[in-house]
Amino acid sequence: QKEVEQDPGPLSVPEGAIVSLNCTYSNSAFQYFMWYRQYSRKGPELLMYTYSSGNKEDGRFTAQVDKSSKYISLFIRDSQPSDSATYLCAMSADNAGNMLTFGGGTRLMVKP
Amino acid sequence: ETGVTQSPTHLIKTRGQQVTLRCSSQSGHNTVSWYQQALGQGPQFIFQYYREEENGRGNFPPRFSGLQFPNYSSELNVNALELDDSALYLCASSLKGEGGLDQYFGPGTRLTVT
Repeated sequence: QKEVEQDPGPLSVPEGAIVSLNCTYSNSAFQYFMWYRQYSRKGPELLMYTYSSGNKEDGRFTAQVDKSSKYISLFIRDSQPSDSATYLCAMSADNAGNMLTFGGGTRLMVKP
Repeated sequence: ETGVTQSPTHLIKTRGQQVTLRCSSQSGHNTVSWYQQALGQGPQFIFQYYREEENGRGNFPPRFSGLQFPNYSSELNVNALELDDSALYLCASSLKGEGGLDQYFGPGTRLTVT
């Protein structure tokens, strides 16, 4: 079993929809939680990070972490076709948030 | 676009050969991490270099080795290539000691082993 599980999708939604992306994990030592977006043929780009449990909002994006359930989520409001990409969750146990463990990624398609 | 660059962009090698991939960090960053991303999967951590020393390693065999230079650029070397080494190799730079949560990834080098 992988340390971080993520539904590969693809997830197809109409423009304007609210998107919910999720990851579960097994390592209780993880304390930093990140979401990356990866466009085709590009490197991952950091969207948001959260330390420990709680919510964090940045524009149309909201990240939630529930350490008791070992479950994290990323919500995208008012989704746009430009949001079409692969979304990767990543986690770290080290105190600088490096040495990331990634999920397998969820491919999102937002249709106009 | 980040300031992290990688070379070459694509590479084709034969099983058993050796390969060297290169990464230039974002200006001011002192830490480089390397990841392997197989097709359709998430990146897997290979190792990290901080101030020219290996600072952590994932579950990869010793034939994966690296270097970091005084200017913080880095190399990933893979010996005795296997077919399963075919993947996108990503490097990421960050500033250790300043949070380090902002890891900036390069575009990757796509390695094909035949």
